[in-house]
Amino acid sequence: AQSVAQPEDQVNVAEGNPLTVKCTYSVSGNPYLFWYVQYPNRGLQFLLKYITGDNLVKGSYGFEAEFNKSQTSFHLKKPSALVSDSALYFCAVRDVNYGGSQGNLIFGKGTKLSVKP
Amino acid sequence: DSGVTQTPKHLITATGQRVTLRCSPRSGDLSVYWYQQSLDQGLQFLIQYYNGEERAKGNILERFSAQQFPDLHSELNLSSLELGDSALYFCASSPGQSSSYEQYFGPGTRLTVT
Repeated sequence: AQSVAQPEDQVNVAEGNPLTVKCTYSVSGNPYLFWYVQYPNRGLQFLLKYITGDNLVKGSYGFEAEFNKSQTSFHLKKPSALVSDSALYFCAVRDVNYGGSQGNLIFGKGTKLSVKP
Repeated sequence: DSGVTQTPKHLITATGQRVTLRCSPRSGDLSVYWYQQSLDQGLQFLIQYYNGEERAKGNILERFSAQQFPDLHSELNLSSLELGDSALYFCASSPGQSSSYEQYFGPGTRLTVT
């Protein structure tokens, strides 16, 4: 069964420092991986995705993620954190149990990012 | 703004009641997904529709049902409500059925069952 794990419930970073939010996955076949961000009392916003190709994926708001097949990881990164990046971050994998052509997202439990001034 | 709209924003109701949550997908999107977010279960997939037809079912209770109408809006019906059904319910949409499409989420409906 497909799954994703976010090993950290919370990540604390000082503004201006680089940040990493970790995600590991378990899938059968090629993984389709996504990162979403949720601000308080808001819906989820799409940040970036990995489908195929370059292992370094660039997304919205200066975020990027590195796909590592050997380590089955898809960590979210940003070179310089902003206070406004403070939010809940979700890693997700596409569930391909339904014939591979359509499928819902399977989400990790989320990581709360706190960026302090 | 994702372009996905959900109504109502908040819903407070009593146990045993029935409610309907409504979702309008982004213009042109044919797939609609429903998710439930709760503190203990996290984000759980409930059900997916594509162009009016049910495509996938997740952890959806038998008391819950959904449909997608010809104009592509979708409704999630929750009946015989229990306290444990209190959660944030999200609708998401994507253009088609390809696994590579990202999903765009609405702002959610917060359901409180008292």
